[in-house]
Amino acid sequence: RKEVEQDPGPFNVPEGATVAFNCTYSNSASQSFFWYRQDCRKEPKLLMSVYSSGNEDGRFTAQLNRASQYISLLIRDSKLSDSATYLCVVNYPGGSYIPTFGRGTSLIVHP
Amino acid sequence: GAVVSQHPSRVICKSGTSVKIECRSLDFQATTMFWYRQFPKQSLMLMATSNEGSKATYEQGVEKDKFLINHASLTLSTLTVTSAHPEDSSFYICSARAITGDNTGELFFGEGSRLTVL
Repeated sequence: RKEVEQDPGPFNVPEGATVAFNCTYSNSASQSFFWYRQDCRKEPKLLMSVYSSGNEDGRFTAQLNRASQYISLLIRDSKLSDSATYLCVVNYPGGSYIPTFGRGTSLIVHP
Repeated sequence: GAVVSQHPSRVICKSGTSVKIECRSLDFQATTMFWYRQFPKQSLMLMATSNEGSKATYEQGVEKDKFLINHASLTLSTLTVTSAHPEDSSFYICSARAITGDNTGELFFGEGSRLTVL
């Protein structure tokens, strides 16, 4: 199984801070990429897709660097409610394009 | 957005019994569903890929005779944990992929089923 790696953290930041996570993947043929958010003891929910041209949604910006095989997530003006685990997902080619998860990066935003 | 319903959300059973978990796509058809298991503070680990009308594809190390997967229709996949033991206690999550032309679409997750085996 090809790997998807993330720094588990936790990243402990004050409200209003900007924080960035990276996720590296090992298969250069990977087709699509996503960031999911998972709250404690809940199912993951899609945060945003990651496009080659970059993707911005409000305070969140996702970028893909194919040459270096990583994706990034930038969160500006962090809110307390942003505290969660952020999972990157990489679709590897092979049959049904198996979605493979990183172990997640924990973010704690404090007052 | 698309909804995936998973049931039961929580189950407690005795060691040696079997437990069935259902995963339904409510407003879309899913030819492929994925079953994951997540232990505390661990990532989601893919157990198997469930394809409608065919046998599931299991990941290495996952016993197909212990974790029975049935995907009889385009909207329903089931996972049965047979002869459950305490080490099977975990959070089981299904997901279904929205159909896109290149088969790389967004995953929609069920709410998860927390299994506790006594």
